[in-house]
This record gives sequence, structure tokens and C-alpha cells, in this order.
Amino acid sequence: ILNVEQSPQSLHVQEGDSTNFTCSFPSSNFYALHWYRWETAKSPEALFVMTLNGDEKKKGRISATLNTKEGYSYLYIKGSQPEDSATYLCAFIRGNQGGKLIFGQGTELSVKP
Amino acid sequence: EAGVAQSPRYKIIEKRQSVAFWCNPISGHATLYWYQQILGQGPKLLIQFQNNGVVDDSQLPKDRFSAERLKGVDSTLKIQPAKLEDSAVYLCASSFRGTGSGEKLFFGSGTQLSVL
Repeated sequence: ILNVEQSPQSLHVQEGDSTNFTCSFPSSNFYALHWYRWETAKSPEALFVMTLNGDEKKKGRISATLNTKEGYSYLYIKGSQPEDSATYLCAFIRGNQGGKLIFGQGTELSVKP
Repeated sequence: EAGVAQSPRYKIIEKRQSVAFWCNPISGHATLYWYQQILGQGPKLLIQFQNNGVVDDSQLPKDRFSAERLKGVDSTLKIQPAKLEDSAVYLCASSFRGTGSGEKLFFGSGTQLSVL
């Protein structure tokens, strides 16, 4: 059984704070890691697809890093805004598994004005 | 470009009743996925289609769940009969060739199912 763990489960920050979350996954036979943002009453939206150890990706104020050897990825949000409030999901793909995504339980972020 | 369409948005049924969900993926996307997301957990893959063929249904409870994608375009997921533990959000997603090709998923807005 593959376990993908995300921490913290929930996070409450003030507008303007910077924050980060962790996604832990099995370090063996890595293929890819996905990050998605899921705002309430909307569709989950892809943020990043990461495939290489040491990868760093950025989209506006959001960035992510990947360490496949130790099995973790960090998602950073710089200067959080209320519109960043959402659940952030990571999903791991193991090699030779047909691209099957194994999701973590998510980190719920609430940004207060 | 139109996104992934799902209906209904919400459904409330009593246990032992039947329910069906519909999904229309993005035009041209060969791969279609159904996920179940129970509160407090991450989405779990129920079934993956490539065109109209099933690629992975290993986690689909086949005694009560069924899914089809007859013409390789839209898809229907059915639960018959429903149990209390089926209360969840059912998400449909699609991609052009699939996540095994390094692609991201495009999700619909989901169906919130409550089984009473």
C-alpha cells in the first residue's frame, strides 16, 4: 500500500503571511508528483507536475520543490491572499503503475484578511 | 475551451436506492477518470478509461458500482444499491493521453452525494 502524507492537515494564516506545506511519498520507483488546488465549490485545478529530483516550479506567488531521493515535496505560498484559501492536494505516481495517481488527504488553507 | 462537465452537482438519496452520475470530458481527451473523495481523505481512483476501454478498475466495488464509456466520449457512473459509506464527492477528470504520459488532470466540479 502506498501512503502519501500531507502536513499540516489545516492551516490558518493572516493575509500577507508566507506559508508552506509538505507532501511525503515513497522514495522508491518515483515517476511524478502532482500538486492541485481545490477551492470550495470549484473544480480541482492543477498547479504543477514535477518529475525530476531537484525540480523547482513557480506560478505567480506559489512555488514547489521536489526531493525524490528522500520522498518529499514542499509547496510555498508567498504573501498569502484570501483568494489562496483552498485545499491543496498532492498526488504521487509510481513508475510502472500506468500513471495511477495516489492522492494525499490534502492541506486546507484559510487566509484571513 | 469548455471544461469537464459533470451532473448533477448535488444528490441526496436514501440507502438502497440507485444513483447515476454523468461526465463529459474535454473534447479530444482520450483518458477519463472517476474518483471518489470521502470527507477527510484524498481522492481515490475508482476507474480509468482509455477511449471506451477500461484501463484500471481495481478499486471499483463491482458488486454495487458500474461505469461505462460506450462511445469513448461521455461516461456514466452508477451505484446500485447505495450504502451510507458511499456518501462522498464523485469527481470526473480527463486528460489527452493520461497521467502516465506526464500530463496533468482536468477535473469537473464533482457531484456531492449524500446517502441517508
